Parts: sequence; C-alpha cells; structure tokens
Amino acid sequence: GNSVTQMEGPVTLSEEAFLTINCTYTATGYPSLFWYVQYPGEGLQLLLKATKADDKGSNKGFEATYRKETTSFHLEKGSVQVSDSAVYFCALSDYTGGFKTIFGAGTRLFVKA
Amino acid sequence: DAMVIQNPRYQVTQFGKPVTLSCSQTLNHNVMYWYQQKSSQAPKLLFHYYDKDFNNEADTPDNFQSRRPNTSFCFLDIRSPGLGDAAMYLCATSRVGNTGGYEQYFGPGTRLTVT
Repeated sequence: GNSVTQMEGPVTLSEEAFLTINCTYTATGYPSLFWYVQYPGEGLQLLLKATKADDKGSNKGFEATYRKETTSFHLEKGSVQVSDSAVYFCALSDYTGGFKTIFGAGTRLFVKA
Repeated sequence: DAMVIQNPRYQVTQFGKPVTLSCSQTLNHNVMYWYQQKSSQAPKLLFHYYDKDFNNEADTPDNFQSRRPNTSFCFLDIRSPGLGDAAMYLCATSRVGNTGGYEQYFGPGTRLTVT
C-alpha cells in the first residue's frame, strides 16, 4: 500500500538558516505529492505540490522536487524565518488510493530569532 | 473568499453527551472529509463523502457518524464522547477530477474537550 515517511522532529534552526525536511514515499501508482503546513491552532494549508516526476513545486520560498528514481520529495528553504515555525506534513494521493490522501507523521520546525 | 468553515472553533462536552460539529464550504467541491488529529500528529481520516456516497474507514469507531445534507454542509456526530475522543477535528474538501491530484482544502478545525 501507499505510505509516506518523513524525518522526525523537532528541527530547531536559527533565523536565516537553510532548511531541509526529508520525505520519501511508497506508491503503487503515479502519485501527486504535497507539502502541507500547520501553524499552531489552525488547520492544514497546502504549501506546494508536484504532480509528476521532475516537477518542482514552490511557494513562499519553499521548494520540493518530485524525484521518481529516489521516491523522494524533500522540502527546502534557503533562509528560514521565525514565522516559518510550524508542523510540516508530506503527503501523497493517487487514483489507487481513491480520494484519500496519505500523510507523513509531520515534522515540527522551530526557528529561533 | 472561497473557504472551508468549521463551527464552533472550540467545543466542550461532557462524557457521554452527544455532540455535533459542523463544516460548510463555499468551494463547491464534491468530496468532503472528516479527520481526527491529536497533538500535531498526522490527521487520521474518519470518513469521507464523494457527493452523497459515504465512505467509512474500517477503524472508525461506531460512535462517530456523519451527515451530508447537501453539497455545502457536512456534520460530524459523536454519539457518546469518551475522554479519548478529545482532539482537533478537521474538515477538508477536494474536487475530484482536478489534474493536480486530490489536493485538500482544510478548515481551521474544532478543538473538542471532553470533561
């Protein structure tokens, strides 16, 4: 079955540091891949997505590239801000999973000023 | 702005007292989902509706029920809440047929406390 594995947190960085959160997936079909972000006390928000191999999703300075050969979708940002402190979820969906999304366990990011 | 709205944002109920959480959407999406989330863990899917078709997850307790009277509204009923049901409940929507996969749009959540 489909699954998503992402690095455990928490991740603590200083402001302006480089961020990488690793995500790998297992899927029987050709999934779309997503990163969602959840700020404290709020619901999840779609951060970025990629729908096919070699696509790069980007938003708000965050990027992730769909790597089919390594089944990965790592999230990166060149310079984090305190306001980026949140929980980040890697996720996938495809037709074999019906209309459902499979989420990773989430990685909490703390950014210090 | 089109959005997913959940009411109330905070709900306190007593052990065993039925409670209903509501979700509405202005996105005109055909799929609506209910998730349970504890302590910033991954959201756990309880059930979803594709139009009027109800799809229950195998491990969702019978204590949890849902209704979708029309495209815009969906309700989560907890018939006899236990202490273990205290959690954040998230409603989400999706449009089947998007070429971009089933990206989901989430409401802000309802935090349920059981006393």
